[in-house]
Parts: sequence; C-alpha cells; structure tokens
Amino acid sequence: SQQGEEDPQALSIQEGENATMNCSYKTSINNLQWYRQNSGRGLVHLILIRSNEREKHSGRLRVTLDTSKKSSSLLITASRAADTASYFCATDGKGAQKLVFGQGTRLTINP
Amino acid sequence: EPEVTQTPSHQVTQMGQEVILRCVPISNHLYFYWYRQILGQKVEFLVSFYNNEISEKSEIFDDQFSVERPDGSNFTLKIRSTKLEDSAMYFCASRGYVATGELFFGEGSRLTVL
Repeated sequence: SQQGEEDPQALSIQEGENATMNCSYKTSINNLQWYRQNSGRGLVHLILIRSNEREKHSGRLRVTLDTSKKSSSLLITASRAADTASYFCATDGKGAQKLVFGQGTRLTINP
Repeated sequence: EPEVTQTPSHQVTQMGQEVILRCVPISNHLYFYWYRQILGQKVEFLVSFYNNEISEKSEIFDDQFSVERPDGSNFTLKIRSTKLEDSAMYFCASRGYVATGELFFGEGSRLTVL
C-alpha cells in the first residue's frame, strides 16, 4: 500500500518553539501534501511538494522531501497556541487519483 | 471563497437503516471523493468519482455503499443498510481540473449508528 506513516503520533511543545513532524511512505509519488485538522473539523490543505522538489516554504511552514528515503518532514517555526491541531501527510501516487493519508500527528502548543 | 458543503452535519440512525450523506463540491471541480475518519483515527479513502463514474474505490466501499451525482451540483454517498462500525465522520472532497493537487474538504458529516 501507498500509505504514509507519521511520527511522532503526538507532540507537545511550548509556544514559540519549533515543531517537526515526519512522514514516510512506500510507493512512488507525484507529490506529497500536508493537511491540518482542527478537532472535529474538516481537513485544510497546507502545502504541496512535488516529487522533483526537495524543499518548500510557506510562511512559517517548511517542508522537505527525500524521495530516496521516501520521507518528508514538516517544520512549523515559532509555534503559536492556534497551531494546536492534527497534521496529516498525504501522498498522490503515480497512476492513482486518490490521496492516501498517514496516521497524523497530534500537535499541542502550550501557552 | 468557494467551499465544499456537506449535509447533515450529524445524523443518528438505527442499525440496518439507509443513510444518504450529501455534498456540494466546488462548482468547477471535476474530481470528487468520499473519505471517512473513525474517531481519532486516520483518514481513510472510500471512493473517487470522475466523469460520472467511479474511478477508484477501496475495500471499505463494498456493495452497501454507492455514490451518485444526480445533477450538476450534488454528490451523494448512500449506505444501504448501516452497521455499527459505519459510525464515523464522513468527508467529501473535490479537486479541480487535474487528478493531482490540492483536495478541498467539507466540514464532514458525523454518522452515529445505534
């Protein structure tokens, strides 16, 4: 299966610190995406990185992709209490139309 | 900003009853999806729909499930005879003109089967 696995499953840090979440996947991909989900809400797209890209930035987000290791990381810098949410990586496999989601990381930012 | 809307937000039903969950995808999108999330767990793919037919489905999407796009705007998920294990949050999502790229999700429909 294509599905990604994320670690850690849960992360609790102090406001202002950086948060790093990792994702691994199994098959060839077109792109890898990160989504955020507030408790009981829908998923919101954060950032997409294509298979031929190694790093991408968007505001306080930095995503890296290592296709040789089939892994990605999401870094949130200068975290805020409002960043508290679950974060999911999702892969767009070659030849597939669906996104496959990882297990997610539950991030808690303590004020 | 365009958004995906889902109704109902919460439905409680008895085991064995039929349920229809409704979605209005973003109007110019061509690819439509249903995902489900059992409380606190991963987001699982159910089915994708393109050009008025199912393009891919998961093992979860058995004969009890069906999807329909009855008109130009609605996209529905029907569960014919609900089971206790169907209790979950069901998310509709849509995508634009290409099969890859960002998915836009609705806020979900919580289904509780008693």
